Amino acid sequence: GNSVTQMEGPVTLSEEAFLTINCTYTATGYPSLFWYVQYPGEGLQLLLKATKADDKGSNKGFEATYRKETTSFHLEKGSVQVSDSAVYFCALSSSYKLIFGSGTRLLVRP
Amino acid sequence: EAGVTQSPTHLIKTRGQQATLRCSPISGHTSVYWYQQALGLGLQFLLWYDEGEERNRGNFPPRFSGRQFPNYSSELNVNALELEDSALYLCASSGLTGTQETQYFGPGTRLLVL
Repeated sequence: GNSVTQMEGPVTLSEEAFLTINCTYTATGYPSLFWYVQYPGEGLQLLLKATKADDKGSNKGFEATYRKETTSFHLEKGSVQVSDSAVYFCALSSSYKLIFGSGTRLLVRP
Repeated sequence: EAGVTQSPTHLIKTRGQQATLRCSPISGHTSVYWYQQALGLGLQFLLWYDEGEERNRGNFPPRFSGRQFPNYSSELNVNALELEDSALYLCASSGLTGTQETQYFGPGTRLLVL
């Protein structure tokens, strides 16, 4: 079946460091891919998405590229801020439902 | 534009009781989805409603049920509550064909079963 695998957290970085959170997927066909972010005590916010191979999603300095050959959708940001501290979820769309990875907690220190 | 809203924000019940959670989608969205975020279990798909009909169901027992009203708002009912039903319940909505796959989430209802 379809699934999403994310790197284990927590990821701890200093402010202005480069961020990469790995995400790989297993799916039949070419599903849409998403990154959602969850701040403490809140619901999920859509961060970015990509709907086909080689698409690059971007938002608020975050980027991710849909790589069909490596079945990956890694999240990157060039310079993280303390306010980016949250849990990040990679997800794919399958039969109109979302299948999520386990989430990666990011902690950014001043 | 108002986002997805959910009520109540918190709900405390005892084992065996019933819980009712409510969700209002983004204006113009016809699909509503429910997910459970339980500690240690991640985010799991519960139910999908579109145009008043249940379209898909996750791997949950029948005591998890719901409905969608003519105004596209939705209700999730959990009967015979068990301790392991304690979780954050998230509702999401999506729009018409072409944007159907992008789901926008509400703030969630945190259910605690004692």
